[in-house]
Amino acid sequence: EDKVVQSPLSLVVHEGDTVTLNCSYEVTNFRSLLWYKQEKKAPTFLFMLTSSGIEKKSGRLSSILDKKELSSILNITATQTGDSAIYLCAVANDYKLSFGAGTTVTVRA
Amino acid sequence: DSGVTQTPKHLITATGQRVTLRCSPRSGDLSVYWYQQSLDQGLQFLIQYYNGEERAKGNILERFSAQQFPDLHSELNLSSLELGDSALYFCASSPLQREMNYGYTFGSGTRLTVV
Repeated sequence: EDKVVQSPLSLVVHEGDTVTLNCSYEVTNFRSLLWYKQEKKAPTFLFMLTSSGIEKKSGRLSSILDKKELSSILNITATQTGDSAIYLCAVANDYKLSFGAGTTVTVRA
Repeated sequence: DSGVTQTPKHLITATGQRVTLRCSPRSGDLSVYWYQQSLDQGLQFLIQYYNGEERAKGNILERFSAQQFPDLHSELNLSSLELGDSALYFCASSPLQREMNYGYTFGSGTRLTVV
C-alpha cells in the first residue's frame, strides 16, 4: 500500500520565522511529488517535483525532492500570518495522488 | 473559483439515509476524482472516472458508488450512512486519464454531517 508520511503534524511559529516541512513516501510507480496548501476548503497547488532533483521556488516558498531518501522538504522563509494553513504532500503514480495527513502551520503575529 | 463545482456545500442528514453529491469538472477536463477527508485522516482517494468510465478505485466502501455522465459531471452516492461517514468530500478534475504529474484542480468540497 502506498504511504505518504508528513512531519511534524503541526507547528506554531512567529512571523518572520522559517519553517521546514517534511514528507517521506513509499509509492509504487512514482511519477512526481506535489505540495498543496489548504486554507479553508479546497487544496491549492504549490509545487510539483520530479526525480530530476531540481529545486522549485516561488517567492518565500521553496521545495526539493531527495530521490535517494524518498523524501521532500518544503521551506517557508520570513513567515507571515497568511501562511497559516495545512500543507499537504501528495505523491503521484500512474493514476492517482496519494496524500499525507498534512502539517498544520500556525503563524502568530 | 477553480472551475470545479461541487454541490451542495453543506449537507446534514441522519444515519441510515442516502445522499448524492454532485461535481461538475473544469471545462475540458475528462477525468473526475473523488476524495474523502476526515478530521483524523488525510485525503483518501475513493474513485476515478475518465470520460464516463471507471478507471481506478481506492478505499471506497461498498455502500458508496459513483458515476460520470455523458456531460462529464459526476455524482457520488453514499447510502446507509453512518456517523463515521461525516467528512469533507472533494471532487477534483484533470484533462487526462494519466499525467498525474500536474495534479488536479479541486472543487471547494461538500461537508457531510451525519447525525
